[in-house]
Amino acid sequence: EADIYQTPRYLVIGTGKKITLECSQTMGHDKMYWYQQDPGMELHLIHYSYGVNSTEKGDLSSESTVSRIRTEHFPLTLESARPSHTSQYLCASSEGRGRTGELFFGEGSRLTVL
Amino acid sequence: GQSLEQPSEVTAVEGAIVQINCTYQTSGFYGLSWYQQHDGGAPTFLSYNALDGLEETGRFSSFLSRSDSYGYLLLQELQMKDSASYFCLIKGRDSNYQLIWGAGTKLIIKP
Repeated sequence: EADIYQTPRYLVIGTGKKITLECSQTMGHDKMYWYQQDPGMELHLIHYSYGVNSTEKGDLSSESTVSRIRTEHFPLTLESARPSHTSQYLCASSEGRGRTGELFFGEGSRLTVL
Repeated sequence: GQSLEQPSEVTAVEGAIVQINCTYQTSGFYGLSWYQQHDGGAPTFLSYNALDGLEETGRFSSFLSRSDSYGYLLLQELQMKDSASYFCLIKGRDSNYQLIWGAGTKLIIKP
């Protein structure tokens, strides 16, 4: 069982609102990732982190920010939500030196912006 | 650049065998992984090939050929619960974040 948790699972908000999607893992993994995925489509990397105080933008930063103050916590913030942000957001983590680099995913946060 | 290509959709019959291919372009990588994702769910890890050859895990096998720049996922004795999307993933050496995903293959299984 993967120990990575995302909240909220579902969120419906209005345009212009600020939101934070939470992601926590209890596996002590150094690497954490945020992906955006529309139904039936590919995963797009938004942000990643290789450790505390280390964050980088992926291909699709989508006007969001992240922080990594603690190893276990990697929240994603949208400063001003737009309808184009409607999607599923997946958080993942992996062990830094694992052979396979296996990614463990949270259940996802499904966001709808009206 | 680096990229992976997979068929967008594959259809098979329950009980049969199906192969999902993944061809790639990359200047260097550590290994090729496969993930399964059911509708509405999160991707889950299936297999990893660091070396050429076949890796077997129950009904699923994965193959890598670096000389041919391709790999595949083989699913045997298909069950209805295998209906899902399957993604290949490269753990690359060159990109900043070292992970390149294929676009996914939707596997449809008919009774």
